[in-house]
Amino acid sequence: AQSVAQPEDQVNVAEGNPLTVKCTYSVSGNPYLFWYVQYPNRGLQFLLKYITGDNLVKGSYGFEAEFNKSQTSFHLKKPSALVSDSALYFCAVRPYQTGANNLFFGTGTRLTVIP
Amino acid sequence: SQTIHQWPATLVQPVGSPLSLECTVEGTSNPNLYWYRQAAGRGLQLLFYSVGIGQISSEVPQNLSASRPQDRQFILSSKKLLLSDSGFYLCAWSRFRGQGAEQFFGPGTRLTVL
Repeated sequence: AQSVAQPEDQVNVAEGNPLTVKCTYSVSGNPYLFWYVQYPNRGLQFLLKYITGDNLVKGSYGFEAEFNKSQTSFHLKKPSALVSDSALYFCAVRPYQTGANNLFFGTGTRLTVIP
Repeated sequence: SQTIHQWPATLVQPVGSPLSLECTVEGTSNPNLYWYRQAAGRGLQLLFYSVGIGQISSEVPQNLSASRPQDRQFILSSKKLLLSDSGFYLCAWSRFRGQGAEQFFGPGTRLTVL
């Protein structure tokens, strides 16, 4: 069975400090991995994805994520947090198999950047 | 560029009333389409997905149904709403081909069943 775990419900970080939002996954075969951000009462916005190749993926708004196969992790990072980064962040996985259309989402991590 | 629309943005309905939420996509053809429900501002639950007109797959048995009458139109319905149907409903699309294709989400509909 496929699953995604976001072990932290809430992450607080001071503005200007680096931030990390954690994600681990469980999937049979090679995964496709995604990060999304959601602002209050809005739909999810795509940030970045890992398909294959370089383990470090760069995405929108200065975010990046590192795929670690041995640790089955895909943590989201940013070198310097902004107050405007405060939002709900979702990690998602799609198993690499024919006919698999579905994304499996984590429960989300609420990031608060403190001025 | 592609855009996805959902309406209405908010809806308050009495228990037992019918429901129809609409989602349309512009700027692409033959997309995969998805309906999700998000409860309490957290995790997303996939309700339905569609790979083509008239083709609907249901992920969880429930009080809801979906239809795809046109290539870029996806409708979520219910004949009789339950209190537990309250939530934030999100429509999404992805390109038909490519397992690595990301999904793009609409703005959502906030449904409150009283």
